[in-house]
Amino acid sequence: EAGVTQFPSHSVIEKGQTVTLRCDPISGHDNLYWYRRVMGKEIKFLLHFVKESKQDESGMPNNRFLAERTGGTYSTLKVQPAELEDSGVYFCASSQSGVREKLFFGSGTQLSVL
Amino acid sequence: AQSVTQLGSHVSVSEGALVLLRCNYSSSVPPYLFWYVQYPNQGLQLLLKYTSAATLVKGINGFEAEFKKSETSFHLTKPSAHMSDAAEYFCAVSDRRDNYGQNFVFGPGTRLSVLP
Repeated sequence: EAGVTQFPSHSVIEKGQTVTLRCDPISGHDNLYWYRRVMGKEIKFLLHFVKESKQDESGMPNNRFLAERTGGTYSTLKVQPAELEDSGVYFCASSQSGVREKLFFGSGTQLSVL
Repeated sequence: AQSVTQLGSHVSVSEGALVLLRCNYSSSVPPYLFWYVQYPNQGLQLLLKYTSAATLVKGINGFEAEFKKSETSFHLTKPSAHMSDAAEYFCAVSDRRDNYGQNFVFGPGTRLSVLP
């Protein structure tokens, strides 16, 4: 069974540019989450999809961040325009409906904004 | 609101020595508690979880953790460290209100180094 995959694994961009991160959850997982870890601090929740719908986006830091989940499959997280403080590791996780505790995480995208 | 603290951002042990990673939590409702591990260039993997059954929880790779309500702790231990245990470990707390992952609150992580 394929795990949660994230692309790219690393991204280095300049301030003001746009970056799009992608997450492919495990097939059949309705729940998809984005988390972020900034500067070695806590991993913090960004948002949660149930299928293609945003269930909760209370963790999104501001309107420069836009997340989508096409057809309830893969998800993208776009940062436009990127700022220095957006640097960090962005994790995606997925889970089956009704199995809350069993989160499967991707290996993350390391984003560096210079 | 829930919170998690992990004492020690970096812990070093010798191979074969006891591993003890500390986690204390704060939760207004009975919590679910988790330990995740991240090996280099990999995603977070679930080591073990407490969900109100036995207070001593056994996980993968010889790790275990004990839920102590009176101390609001969920420390992770392993009797004998192996070189392959070198990784970053995250404690997390989740409440039981609903079925959503956003209730996961992670600690800042503890990086474990194992010395030969």
